[in-house]
Amino acid sequence: DGGITQSPKYLFRKEGQNVTLSCEQNLNHDAMYWYRQDPGQGLRLIYYSQIVNDFQKGDIAEGYSVSREKKESFPLTVTSAQKNPTAFYLCASSLRGEFYNEQFFGPGTRLTVL
Amino acid sequence: LAKTTQPISMDSYEGQEVNITCSHNNIATNDYITWYQQFPSQGPRFIIQGYKTKVTNEVASLFIPADRKSSTLSLPRVSLSDTAVYYCLVGDDTGTASKLTFGTGTRLQVTL
Repeated sequence: DGGITQSPKYLFRKEGQNVTLSCEQNLNHDAMYWYRQDPGQGLRLIYYSQIVNDFQKGDIAEGYSVSREKKESFPLTVTSAQKNPTAFYLCASSLRGEFYNEQFFGPGTRLTVL
Repeated sequence: LAKTTQPISMDSYEGQEVNITCSHNNIATNDYITWYQQFPSQGPRFIIQGYKTKVTNEVASLFIPADRKSSTLSLPRVSLSDTAVYYCLVGDDTGTASKLTFGTGTRLQVTL
């Protein structure tokens, strides 16, 4: 089955800790994205990558970091510098990086800071 | 990037046709219009995309007037399972660092 997976589904973190959210796709897509969604709000773009070893900041990159060492993987690290990290995090991929390409989303990771 | 404006919420009865309009006054020549659907605690799902005139697929139709400053997503005979948030996006093919956002979308509530 082709698709995009995220793990874990739920994640709890103590203040001051860094955490890494996993995102893997086997769709052979070039582009991958990370979004953050707060309750009752839309999605905001954190980072995106159009190709391996390259990525760009989105609207709200501060306090986050990413890497794209492999085409199928795009992990997101939420650092202690992120002031309000509790949110629903969604990873997506698309065949290519142009924004009209359909994005396929993973099931999401709900991060709670205790 | 073109900013979009949608109604915050809409209500409908099951079996009715629902039309959700999105305004994008400063749409650029290369911009496409894309609609996504999101259920609670899930990622959005692509519904339909268009550039001009009308596009239809098995779940929806998208109407785009000649000036392209707005678009209307039409859902025929909605059911309870169509209760979701619908997002209108406008994006182009430049591939440059972009502020692509899904906004707050339109929350559609379908009841019996």
